[in-house]
Amino acid sequence: GAVVSQHPSRVICKSGTSVKIECRSLDFQATTMFWYRQFPKQSLMLMATSNEGSKATYEQGVEKDKFLINHASLTLSTLTVTSAHPEDSSFYICSAEGLATLSYNEQFFGPGTRLTVL
Amino acid sequence: GNSVTQMEGPVTLSEEAFLTINCTYTATGYPSLFWYVQYPGEGLQLLLKATKADDKGSNKGFEATYRKETTSFHLEKGSVQVSDSAVYFCALKDTGGFKTIFGAGTRLFVKA
Repeated sequence: GAVVSQHPSRVICKSGTSVKIECRSLDFQATTMFWYRQFPKQSLMLMATSNEGSKATYEQGVEKDKFLINHASLTLSTLTVTSAHPEDSSFYICSAEGLATLSYNEQFFGPGTRLTVL
Repeated sequence: GNSVTQMEGPVTLSEEAFLTINCTYTATGYPSLFWYVQYPGEGLQLLLKATKADDKGSNKGFEATYRKETTSFHLEKGSVQVSDSAVYFCALKDTGGFKTIFGAGTRLFVKA
């Protein structure tokens, strides 16, 4: 199956700093990438959907100025958590799908990034 | 709107026990149905899927059958192992849609 990577896998930062998380599709071109947030022992919450070359579509209640999403190429999307605070600590997961994977009708998930804000 | 409901956990079983995790869905059209598994500290992995009614998805001893008449996609395994301990998510993707809708997840603990 298609492979999606995330970097970093874990990050610890001080309150007020910004953190960038990268999501890459390694063996296919991802026309659409999704960013999820997962709280402990809970399901995935879709934050936003990004299409290559266009602005991301944010879900209701997600602050677009705080969670900046860029999908500048067909293999890379980034999520930047700006001015992070302890309540932003969470597990962030990206997923991707592309023209080559549409026939599978599924998304391919990255391994996740654990963000801890002190 | 579309939704997925799965049984609450945690589910605790002894090794070699039979596993069932119930999942029902609400959707328009003919969605594709999925089971994902999440091991501790990791992202989601696709376990199995079914794209039309009466299809059976299977992988690693797990099975689920797409039942349109009961709008269900229950996950089963005949003999669980300790290594199956994880969180299992039922999900659907509607025809022509781009979002995947996830259930709340069911945590499975398998004791040796």
